[in-house]
Amino acid sequence: GQNIDQPTEMTATEGAIVQINCTYQTSGFNGLFWYQQHAGEAPTFLSYNVLDGLEEKGRFSSFLSRSKGYSYLLLKELQMKDSASYLCAGMDSNYQLIWGAGTKLIIKP
Amino acid sequence: GAVVSQHPSWVICKSGTSVKIECRSLDFQATTMFWYRQFPKQSLMLMATSNEGSKATYEQGVEKDKFLINHASLTLSTLTVTSAHPEDSSFYICSATPGARGGQPQHFGDGTRLSIL
Repeated sequence: GQNIDQPTEMTATEGAIVQINCTYQTSGFNGLFWYQQHAGEAPTFLSYNVLDGLEEKGRFSSFLSRSKGYSYLLLKELQMKDSASYLCAGMDSNYQLIWGAGTKLIIKP
Repeated sequence: GAVVSQHPSWVICKSGTSVKIECRSLDFQATTMFWYRQFPKQSLMLMATSNEGSKATYEQGVEKDKFLINHASLTLSTLTVTSAHPEDSSFYICSATPGARGGQPQHFGDGTRLSIL
């Protein structure tokens, strides 16, 4: 079956760094997406990885290891506005997104 | 770029009413659009996938006669919740992609909060 696993909730301190992990099992693989969703709002696209390695985009970076079925989202210099749910989604061979349940990130001052 | 507009943002109506939600891609042609439902503190649940000019593909457990989807053009898809009841109250979100291939991200509308009294 297809499955995306990520932690339910994480807490971090303002100004610090946090890594949100995601493991995936999909039927075929066409890439891994990360989205941010603030409470009561729709998700917004953060990153896409299809090749192994790290993709950096400002304070956010995303990493992929295809052999391990593993990805992480790294958030640096955390700000209070980064408090949100972070959704990991794998794209299968039919180009369908398989969504994780999301990781709720709580930032404390 | 890649802006998706969803309307209305909020709907409050009486039980038995039918409600139509529109999803438009403003600056790209959306060959594929998706409709999701999300209950409080739960993950996104895909309801259906629609490709322009063809019938929508519904996920298991989603009643196609209850949730009517029309994707008549490359920039517009509509979801109609027919004879809505309180259990249909939820956050409905559409997304669109220029193509289902090549790792194109889904771009989301702002969502519609539906409350059935």
